[in-house]
Amino acid sequence: DVKVTQSSRYLVKRTGEKVFLECVQDMDHENMFWYRQDPGLGLRLIYFSYDVKMKEKGDIPEGYSVSREKKERFSLILESASTNQTSMYLCASSTGTGSPEQFFGPGTRLTVL
Amino acid sequence: GQQVMQIPQYQHVQEGEDFTTYCNSSTTLSNIQWYKQRPGGHPVFLIQLVKSGEVKKQKRLTFQFGEAKKNSSLHITATQTTDVGTYFCAGDSGNTPLVFGKGTRLSVIA
Repeated sequence: DVKVTQSSRYLVKRTGEKVFLECVQDMDHENMFWYRQDPGLGLRLIYFSYDVKMKEKGDIPEGYSVSREKKERFSLILESASTNQTSMYLCASSTGTGSPEQFFGPGTRLTVL
Repeated sequence: GQQVMQIPQYQHVQEGEDFTTYCNSSTTLSNIQWYKQRPGGHPVFLIQLVKSGEVKKQKRLTFQFGEAKKNSSLHITATQTTDVGTYFCAGDSGNTPLVFGKGTRLSVIA
């Protein structure tokens, strides 16, 4: 069964802290994505990666960075968390061919105080 | 850049009524995907439409892709409480990541 896991379901951090959100997929997918979801704003793409060591900016990359050292793992990093980064963060993966569906993880609800 | 507009933002229906959500893209799409997110859950893929004018059915759900491949709709016949959730369309223009609409949140009153 296809699986995307995220390191935490809930996370509370303080302003200025460095935050790591981890995502792991077990489907050998080439593509991985990080979104944030806020009420009324839908899913907004932060960063994506089509291969190991590769990363591309999405629509709202400011304040975030990513790391993809292994194919199955895609990490989202908040270098210095701010209150406006309080959100639901969703990781997704897909195969590298055609127009593939995306498989989402359960999400991490991050609160920055 | 490519934009995908989805309406309505919210819809409240009585159980047994029909429901439709509409999706419009600013650019021609190579395909469109639909996802459902249950309350407290994550988006789950429902279907992909590829061909101009394509219509696909999944039980009480009917998905359409416009002739110009710039719009799509999802229609649910005789809604049930299990249909509650947010429905997202996502457009693929072929050379960029999927662009998601903002979703339509469906509430069903029993």
